[in-house]
Amino acid sequence: AQSVTQLDSQVPVFEEAPVELRCNYSSSVSVYLFWYVQYPNQGLQLLLKYLSGSTLVKGINGFEAEFNKSQTSFHLRKPSVHISDTAEYFCAVSYSSNTGKLIFGQGTTLQVKP
Amino acid sequence: DTAVSQTPKYLVTQMGNDKSIKCEQNLGHDTMYWYKQDSKKFLKIMFSYNNKELIINETVPNRFSPKSPDKAHLNLHINSLELGDSAVYFCASSQVDTRTDYGYTFGSGTRLTVV
Repeated sequence: AQSVTQLDSQVPVFEEAPVELRCNYSSSVSVYLFWYVQYPNQGLQLLLKYLSGSTLVKGINGFEAEFNKSQTSFHLRKPSVHISDTAEYFCAVSYSSNTGKLIFGQGTTLQVKP
Repeated sequence: DTAVSQTPKYLVTQMGNDKSIKCEQNLGHDTMYWYKQDSKKFLKIMFSYNNKELIINETVPNRFSPKSPDKAHLNLHINSLELGDSAVYFCASSQVDTRTDYGYTFGSGTRLTVV
């Protein structure tokens, strides 16, 4: 079955510390991978995406993610977080290029503490 | 200009009522979606239309009926509302056919509360 697993439901971290949010997906021949951020009472905003090419993808707000095909992972990283990064983060995978359907992980709450 | 706009933003209604949520996108995308986000923030796809044609219809009660009058609009009508329908409903759009960009653009959501 096609699935996406975000391994941590909550990640507390101090301001200016590095952070990694983990995402694994069920294996498939080809996938497209995404990270979205949701601030309180708002819609989802695209942080970054992997479609093909370089496995290291850079996104907005200083975030980056690395596609690892052998480990079927797409972990999100930021070297130094800010209070304003406090939000819900969703990993999503498209297994079908024909429909554009995205399957989302359960979400990870990033709590940045001063 | 808002790229994907949903109305209303909040909707409080009684059980048994019928309600509609409207969505419009001005991005020229060919595909639109409805997602439901439950109280645990889990996002699940409900429907998808590509150029007004239904292409995804997940296991959703028949009380939910999407309608796409043109490729820029996708509405969601819900009959006989139940308590369990309370959730945040997100509309999204993407460009699929030209295969240049699969990222979704989301609306800001409609928070439906059934009492």
